[in-house]
Amino acid sequence: ILNVEQSPQSLHVQEGDSTNFTCSFPSSNFYALHWYRWETAKSPEALFVMTLNGDEKKKGRISATLNTKEGYSYLYIKGSQPEDSATYLCASAYNTDKLIFGTGTRLQVFP
Amino acid sequence: GAGVSQSPSNKVTEKGKDVELRCDPISGHTALYWYRQRLGQGLEFLIYFQGNSAPDKSGLPSDRFSAERTGESVSTLTIQRTQQEDSAVYLCASSFSRQGTQYFGPGTRLTVL
Repeated sequence: ILNVEQSPQSLHVQEGDSTNFTCSFPSSNFYALHWYRWETAKSPEALFVMTLNGDEKKKGRISATLNTKEGYSYLYIKGSQPEDSATYLCASAYNTDKLIFGTGTRLQVFP
Repeated sequence: GAGVSQSPSNKVTEKGKDVELRCDPISGHTALYWYRQRLGQGLEFLIYFQGNSAPDKSGLPSDRFSAERTGESVSTLTIQRTQQEDSAVYLCASSFSRQGTQYFGPGTRLTVL
């Protein structure tokens, strides 16, 4: 059974702080790593998809990196704002299985 | 363009009744997933359809839950003899391929009284 783990489970930061969280995944038969943003009372929305070792993606103040050899990805938020408050989900795709989601990191940014 | 749609948006039912939830995926998407989110919990995988392959039912919590998909179009999730613990938001997602970006519908909020 493939298991995708995220840490920390939750995070509280002050507005303006930079933060990062981790996604760990099995690296065997790896195909792609996805990050989603899930706001309360809404549906998850895709942020990034990365496939190659060393990939980096950026969208505004949010960026992500990928290490496929050791099986982890980091998501960074620079200068957090209250509107960044959400649950951030990662999901790992494999050649031999469906997309597997982690349990998420719940971020709260206080003004 | 048209996204994933789900109906109804809200459903209130009495314990013991059957309910049927519908998902219309994005046209051309071969993969379709059902998830649920119970209060205070994360995303829970239920079932996955990929083209004409046999569905992956490994996430269904009991035999009261079943789902169907006609070809690469509409899917229905049926819950028989609903229980209060079935109360949740049921989300549907579709993608071009098994490994592709998933596009989520707005969800159906099910409340079992």
